[in-house]
Amino acid sequence: GAGVSQSPSNKVTEKGKDVELRCDPISGHTALYWYRQSLGQGLEFLIYFQGNSAPDKSGLPSDRFSAERTGGSVSTLTIQRTQQEDSAVYLCASSLRQGRRDIQYFGAGTRLSVL
Amino acid sequence: DQQVKQNSPSLSVQEGRISILNCDYTNSMFDYFLWYKKYPAEGPTFLISISSIKDKNEDGRFTVFLNKSAKHLSLHIVPSQPGDSAVYFCAASAQSNTGKLIFGQGTTLQVKP
Repeated sequence: GAGVSQSPSNKVTEKGKDVELRCDPISGHTALYWYRQSLGQGLEFLIYFQGNSAPDKSGLPSDRFSAERTGGSVSTLTIQRTQQEDSAVYLCASSLRQGRRDIQYFGAGTRLSVL
Repeated sequence: DQQVKQNSPSLSVQEGRISILNCDYTNSMFDYFLWYKKYPAEGPTFLISISSIKDKNEDGRFTVFLNKSAKHLSLHIVPSQPGDSAVYFCAASAQSNTGKLIFGQGTTLQVKP
């Protein structure tokens, strides 16, 4: 079956512009996570969705970052007034969430470059 | 603060030999540990995991060892193959949280033919 799909795969934007990143999780997966990987760093947790609600937003770095999930499926991560330090690969993962230890399946990510 | 650390950015081994990748953690609340493998331009893929109630888990050529007292885990790959060349991430989660994973910085493994 289809895996986690993210779009666009690459995004170049100018400082100060808003961007939207999209994630299509695996069908039937109720849990969805956003992470980002800055150059030379590990993956950094941003936000977790269970269904359409986000019980854990603790990783969002500032109020310029927001995310929503609709229909228990597609999620959009929005970054307003982008800054150069927002440049990173943004990764989405989904899981069945049948238990806390279920496997997270990742998409290929969106590489964001802020000029 | 970096709660999960992979202190070796890179590792090079000969095909057929053992690869040992190391990971240290600081948070004593972590009770579940995972290794993910990442090829360029792809997302990380799950490799193997271990619960804190165990000290070893084996899956084919891959074995993960956990030393709770030292807050240290390692991934052994035997025998190493050129297709194993990738970035390996160690990750951890705590029972109290939402399943979010805390990742190390990654180790780039190169297996030479």
